[in-house]
Amino acid sequence: NAGVTQTPKFRILKIGQSMTLQCAQDMNHNYMYWYRQDPGMGLKLIYYSVGAGITDKGEVPNGYNVSRSTTEDFPLRLELAAPSQTSVYFCASKWAVGSGANVLTFGAGSRLTVL
Amino acid sequence: DAKTTQPPSMDCAEGRAANLPCNHSTISGNEYVYWYRQIHSQGPQYIIHGLKNNETNEMASLIITEDRKSSTLILPHATLRDTAVYYCIAGGTGTASKLTFGTGTRLQVTL
Repeated sequence: NAGVTQTPKFRILKIGQSMTLQCAQDMNHNYMYWYRQDPGMGLKLIYYSVGAGITDKGEVPNGYNVSRSTTEDFPLRLELAAPSQTSVYFCASKWAVGSGANVLTFGAGSRLTVL
Repeated sequence: DAKTTQPPSMDCAEGRAANLPCNHSTISGNEYVYWYRQIHSQGPQYIIHGLKNNETNEMASLIITEDRKSSTLILPHATLRDTAVYYCIAGGTGTASKLTFGTGTRLQVTL
């Protein structure tokens, strides 16, 4: 199993450009998450999904959009990139039913710089 | 999630036990204690979690006080590869719950 795969690893955008960060998992996990991490800070939840076709906002959703058309993929779309979106983005997933614990598997991250 | 308090940094000599403390005085009865770590700029890695009882796995041990207001993660024989930021998270009950990652403890393992 590859686990959680994120692409690209690095990207530089100009202000106002748009792009999509890709996330794929091959563990048949039902839950998927997008976090961002600014330098020296903890992770902040952007969006999450509890299954195909279902998404919901996290703590910092403004400026982002997501979709979940398949169990495996959870892309994060940045529209009109701004310098404040310079960050490292992490995708994560888990399998959970009932009152299961929160054991997340994270991807390696995508480092985005907006100039 | 309940608020957690961790020291910003700690040092440990290689081969010695690393004991990382965490306070979570407002934790509710059904909230777990989770530990994750982040090595350099990689994605966080799950270490261990517990509810009431002490837990041990191949990576670490988790000691939770009887009143559940604090816990300690123990790496029994720290190596240089254990140098990382360690996150203590209290909460996350139920499948739809989400984990809140603070700034953690930066553990530096030295020769």
